[in-house]
Amino acid sequence: DAGVIQSPRHEVTEMGQEVTLRCKPISGHDYLFWYRQTMMRGLELLIYFNNNVPIDDSGMPEDRFSAKMPNASFSTLKIQPSEPRDSAVYFCASSGQGIYEQYFGPGTRLTVT
Amino acid sequence: GQNIDQPTEMTATEGAIVQINCTYQTSGFNGLFWYQQHAGEAPTFLSYNVLDGLEEKGRFSSFLSRSKGYSYLLLKELQMKDSASYLCAVRERASNYQLIWGAGTKLIIKP
Repeated sequence: DAGVIQSPRHEVTEMGQEVTLRCKPISGHDYLFWYRQTMMRGLELLIYFNNNVPIDDSGMPEDRFSAKMPNASFSTLKIQPSEPRDSAVYFCASSGQGIYEQYFGPGTRLTVT
Repeated sequence: GQNIDQPTEMTATEGAIVQINCTYQTSGFNGLFWYQQHAGEAPTFLSYNVLDGLEEKGRFSSFLSRSKGYSYLLLKELQMKDSASYLCAVRERASNYQLIWGAGTKLIIKP
C-alpha cells in the first residue's frame, strides 16, 4: 500500500489567498483526520471523518477553515482567506480496523507570508 | 479534564537505555499510543497499551498502569537513529474515542 498521500508537500502563499490541501487515505480505512502541528501548540486535531461524514470539527480554528470528503479516497482542507498565523505543517491521517492506530501522511508545510 | 504530561527533552548515550514517561488524566480511558516523529517527518506508530503491563516489541517496550494514569516507553541499545520526538497519545470516551496528544519528548542521542 502506498500509505496516506498528501499534496502539495510544500505551499507558500500570500496572506489573503485561498489554500487547498489534499489527502488520499489508505484504502479500506474508514476514519480520516486532519491535524495541524506547530512548535508552540504541538499536534492539534482539526476535524475528522467517519465513512466520509464529518464527525467532529470542534478543532477547526474559525470559519476560514473548511474540510470535505466527497468519497472514501479523497479529502480536502481549505483555508480562505489564509493568514500568516496559519503557517504550520498540516497532516492527514487515516485509521481503520483492529486497534485503530492512525497512519500519517508526509504532511504539507504551509507558509503564509 | 484532559491532560497529558511528558518531559520536554531528554539526552541519552548511544548503546544505553532510556525511559520516557507519560502521565495522563482522562475521562473514560480507552488505550494509550506511542508514536515516533523524526524532525521534518510524520509521526509513525510505535506501540499500543490498553491493559496494565508491559508490551515488548524488539528494542522498544511500553508499559501502562491505568490506576496510576502512567505509561513509559523504554528504548534499549540506543542507536543514533533513535534521535526523534516521542509522542504519547491517549484515546478516551469523552473525546469520542479520538486521540489526545501530549506535546512530545525530544530525545537526543549522543555518541
